[in-house]
Amino acid sequence: ETGVTQSPTHLIKTRGQQVTLRCSSQSGHNTVSWYQQALGQGPQFIFQYYREEENGRGNFPPRFSGLQFPNYSSELNVNALELDDSALYLCASSLGPGVPNSPLHFGNGTRLTVT
Amino acid sequence: AQKVTQAQTEISVVEKEDVTLDCVYETRDTTYYLFWYKQPPSGELVFLIRRNSFDEQNEISGRYSWNFQKSTSSFNFTITASQVVDSAVYFCALSERNAGGTSYGKLTFGQGTILTVHP
Repeated sequence: ETGVTQSPTHLIKTRGQQVTLRCSSQSGHNTVSWYQQALGQGPQFIFQYYREEENGRGNFPPRFSGLQFPNYSSELNVNALELDDSALYLCASSLGPGVPNSPLHFGNGTRLTVT
Repeated sequence: AQKVTQAQTEISVVEKEDVTLDCVYETRDTTYYLFWYKQPPSGELVFLIRRNSFDEQNEISGRYSWNFQKSTSSFNFTITASQVVDSAVYFCALSERNAGGTSYGKLTFGQGTILTVHP
């Protein structure tokens, strides 16, 4: 069973730039969720993708956008980067939003630093 | 709005001690799901346990056990005979239905409890 993989592991960007983070879901999982975890905090829900469409969004501005592909992999795009966007970005896959007790399986995350 | 509170910021114990991590949650939904995750220094969140809101039976799984009390909105997690490898940040999380009542897509996490187990 292949777990959730994220790339890159680390990234340094300058304020105002754009970034794309990538995630491959665990085999058998059709739903991908993205979370932002600032240092010393719990993860915050950004959005979820199911069947290539956004299925729920947290309190994040539109410059945070995403995609899900037919193979269930996903991308998180952040435009006009701000210093506060520096965080660990976690991707998680699951069986689907209709399976409520299906636990999320997380990747190791991408550490984004904005200077 | 849903909320999860982990009052203990840091806990330090000596190996083989039992340790309980506290979690209190707020939700207006009658059906919800509770989880505990562990985050070692590598960064990956590892799923540990889950509980449905309509099942208050407490269980033991190996060295892990949990105490779910709906009346006090608490979902505490106990590690028995702690080991150095248990050192990590532990998160309690709540999942409830979205506004349309069709999915449980979002987890709300607490702030985390840093557990350090000394040899």
